[in-house]
Amino acid sequence: AQSVTQLGSHVSVSEGALVLLRCNYSSSVPPYLFWYVQYPNQGLQLLLKYTSAATLVKGINGFEAEFKKSETSFHLTKPSAHMSDAAEYFCAVRASFGNEKLTFGTGTRLTIIP
Amino acid sequence: NAGVTQTPKFRVLKTGQSMTLLCAQDMNHEYMYWYRQDPGMGLRLIHYSVGEGTTAKGEVPDGYNVSRLKKQNFLLGLESAAPSQTSVYFCASSPGQGSQPQHFGDGTRLSIL
Repeated sequence: AQSVTQLGSHVSVSEGALVLLRCNYSSSVPPYLFWYVQYPNQGLQLLLKYTSAATLVKGINGFEAEFKKSETSFHLTKPSAHMSDAAEYFCAVRASFGNEKLTFGTGTRLTIIP
Repeated sequence: NAGVTQTPKFRVLKTGQSMTLLCAQDMNHEYMYWYRQDPGMGLRLIHYSVGEGTTAKGEVPDGYNVSRLKKQNFLLGLESAAPSQTSVYFCASSPGQGSQPQHFGDGTRLSIL
C-alpha cells in the first residue's frame, strides 16, 4: 500500500521568498516519487522525480526536492519565488516494483504575493 | 509532437445521458490511465490499461467503463451520467517501465445537470 500526505492545501509566499511545499509518503517498498505542477485549466506537468540515484533532485524552473528516508519526506523547495510559480503542486508516489499505479496527494495551491 | 490529446475539452450532460471521452497518445506508450480531479481530493484513478486489449479497475471505477482496442487510444465511457460524476477528467500515459513519469492531457471538464 502507498499513500501521500501534502501538508497545507494553500501556501502563500512573497515574491523572492523561499518556497517550501511539504510531502510525506508511505510505501511498503522503496518508492519512486514525483512532483507535478498544474497551471490553471491545464494538465499536470512533471517538475522532478526521485528514482534512488540521488537524494537531492533538481527539476525545472529552479525547483528541487530532497528525499529523506528517515523522515519519509520529499519536500519541494525553490530559493526565490517568482510570480509565474503560482499554480497547484501535486506530490505522487509509486512503488519501485510490482505496481504500475501512481498515488497522488491532495495538492497544494501556491500563491505568490507581489 | 502532440503527446496526450483529450476530446472533448468541455461537455454538459443531463442526468442519465451517456457519453464517451477519448484519449489519444502518440508516444507509443504501453500504459494509459484515466483520473478524475475534484477540489481538495487530488487525482483519483478510475481505470487503467497496461497494454492494448487490457483494462483494470482503479480507486473509483463505479459508473465508468473503459476500452483499449488500439494501443494509442483509451476510451472512458459513462453509461448513465450522474451529478456525482461532475468533475475534470484527465488521461495520462507512460512507458510503464520503472521510474518513467506519466504524461498528462489537458483534461475534459464535464458537468452533469
